[in-house]
Amino acid sequence: DVKVTQSSRYLVKRTGEKVFLECVQDMDHENMFWYRQDPGLGLRLIYFSYDVKMKEKGDIPEGYSVSREKKERFSLILESASTNQTSMYLCASRSSGQGTSLNEQFFGPGTRLTVL
Amino acid sequence: AQSVAQPEDQVNVAEGNPLTVKCTYSVSGNPYLFWYVQYPNRGLQFLLKYITGDNLVKGSYGFEAEFNKSQTSFHLKKPSALVSDSALYFCAVSFHGNNRLAFGKGNQVVVIP
Repeated sequence: DVKVTQSSRYLVKRTGEKVFLECVQDMDHENMFWYRQDPGLGLRLIYFSYDVKMKEKGDIPEGYSVSREKKERFSLILESASTNQTSMYLCASRSSGQGTSLNEQFFGPGTRLTVL
Repeated sequence: AQSVAQPEDQVNVAEGNPLTVKCTYSVSGNPYLFWYVQYPNRGLQFLLKYITGDNLVKGSYGFEAEFNKSQTSFHLKKPSALVSDSALYFCAVSFHGNNRLAFGKGNQVVVIP
């Protein structure tokens, strides 16, 4: 059974802290994604990676950075957390087999981050 | 550019009645269309997708969706709704050569016993 795991289900941090969100997939997928989900706004793409050490900005990259040192792991970093980054963060992975755009994304359970 | 519209915020349906969740899309080229479901405090689960071929696509949990190119729509349907179908439903679109999925804002489905 395919699996995407995220390091924490719930996280509470203080303004100004550096926050690391970790995501691991066991499907040998080339592509990995970080989204944030807010009520009424749906899913918004923060960053994605199509290979180790490769990354591309999504729609809302400001205030975030990412790291992909190994194929199975994709980290989201909040350099200095702010209250407007309180949200649900979802990680996903996607195979490139037979053409990336044909394939569905597999999601982790999400991390609900609260910044006080 | 690619975008998805899910025009209704919430869909209420009685248990046993047909369920329809609407989705329209805008994309340059041929679209690849996806439906996902999200249960409370969970990640998204894939339901079904349209790539090419038959316009009616069948997926998980008895759901199906119909691709209509002239109306640029991909509505999700289920003949008989269950209370356990109450969840948030997302439509998404991609196209050839594009690594990204564009998601709609989501529809909350409430199935009333």
